[in-house]
Amino acid sequence: GENVEQHPSTLSVQEGDSAVIKCTYSDSASNYFPWYKQELGKRPQLIIDIRSNVGEKKDQRIAVTLNKTAKHFSLHITETQPEDSAVYFCAASMNRDDKIIFGKGTRLHILP
Amino acid sequence: NAGVTQTPKFRVLKTGQSMTLLCAQDMNHEYMYWYRQDPGMGLRLIHYSVGEGTTAKGEVPDGYNVSRLKKQNFLLGLESAAPSQTSVYFCASSQASSGKETQYFGPGTRLLVL
Repeated sequence: GENVEQHPSTLSVQEGDSAVIKCTYSDSASNYFPWYKQELGKRPQLIIDIRSNVGEKKDQRIAVTLNKTAKHFSLHITETQPEDSAVYFCAASMNRDDKIIFGKGTRLHILP
Repeated sequence: NAGVTQTPKFRVLKTGQSMTLLCAQDMNHEYMYWYRQDPGMGLRLIHYSVGEGTTAKGEVPDGYNVSRLKKQNFLLGLESAAPSQTSVYFCASSQASSGKETQYFGPGTRLLVL
């Protein structure tokens, strides 16, 4: 089955700097890669996703890149703000499957 | 719309006791999922359902059972609770297969097994 590895487990960046979180997946049949954000004590919420037919997607300060050959994808947050502090989860899913597999999460701290 | 709701919010059980967690959604979603979240382990899928009357096993199904008698409800049962089942449980739903659509999560149920 699919296995998703996520790095780093904890990341601290200065407010205003950029943050990058990386994930790798094992099954080349995976074709959908969502990212979820979970604030402290809250539920996970989708922030951006990418499908295997594109290499990059942007939404304001957030971007995701996908390298199908290397089987890795990354979340980029620019101009970080205090409200970006949260746990971020990457995930992968195959078209033939009805479930997604999550990475173990990255706790992002934005330092003042 | 309330979205996805979970009952109860918090529960303490003794080892060997049983309980049922209820997930309800009012978005007419076909797909529903139960996850558990443990520190450093991310979100692990317990069981899921692709429609009323159907259920399937996820990554960590042992010790749990589920039922989807009504489209809007997905129940997670613990027949004989163990301390290893202490966790935060999240329910989620999506319109179509999670391979294509956003999953909407409930607020979570915090379970402590003593």
